[in-house]
Amino acid sequence: DTGVSQNPRHKITKRGQNVTFRCDPISEHNRLYWYRQTLGQGPEFLTYFQNEAQLEKSRLLSDRFSAERPKGSFSTLEIQRTEQGDSAMYLCASSQTRDPSPPYYEQYFGPGTRLTVT
Amino acid sequence: AQKVTQAQTEISVVEKEDVTLDCVYETRDTTYYLFWYKQPPSGELVFLIRRNSFDEQNEISGRYSWNFQKSTSSFNFTITASQVVDSAVYFCALLKGGYQKVTFGTGTKLQVIP
Repeated sequence: DTGVSQNPRHKITKRGQNVTFRCDPISEHNRLYWYRQTLGQGPEFLTYFQNEAQLEKSRLLSDRFSAERPKGSFSTLEIQRTEQGDSAMYLCASSQTRDPSPPYYEQYFGPGTRLTVT
Repeated sequence: AQKVTQAQTEISVVEKEDVTLDCVYETRDTTYYLFWYKQPPSGELVFLIRRNSFDEQNEISGRYSWNFQKSTSSFNFTITASQVVDSAVYFCALLKGGYQKVTFGTGTKLQVIP
């Protein structure tokens, strides 16, 4: 059972450029989450998917950010017209729903993609 | 709104000492979940423990133990006989029942000195 994987691990880009990150969840997990973590802070929730449906988006997710999960498997997070304030670690997590439903589904995190905007 | 406070920014201990990481949370909900995660230098968050708001039984697991007290809204984590491999940033987190958004604290960086 492989864990959550994220690519690339590091990305350096110039301000104004677009970047795209990929997350591959644990294979049987149907829920996928994106978080952002800045230096010295805890992760902040951005959005989550159940299968291909994006069910919740944080106010942190500005119009320049878009996330997709087209086939309910991997997900991409795109940032358009990057700004220096976008520099952060972008974490992906996944979880699996079960029937009967427990009240909580444990989230497993990937290693993150560290974005540096110069 | 949910809030998690980890007042200790950094802690240094000498190997084999015991260390307690503090966590205080705020929520108006009666059903919620509390977690501790470990983030080593590699960056990947590692789940350590989850506690439900209706289960105040404290637990010991190997060198780890947890003290959950609803009366003081605290969920403290203790490492007994610390080891160098315990060096990491530890996050306390809170999840409101029925929701998916986990609220993390700012983390406590633990350094275990050999």
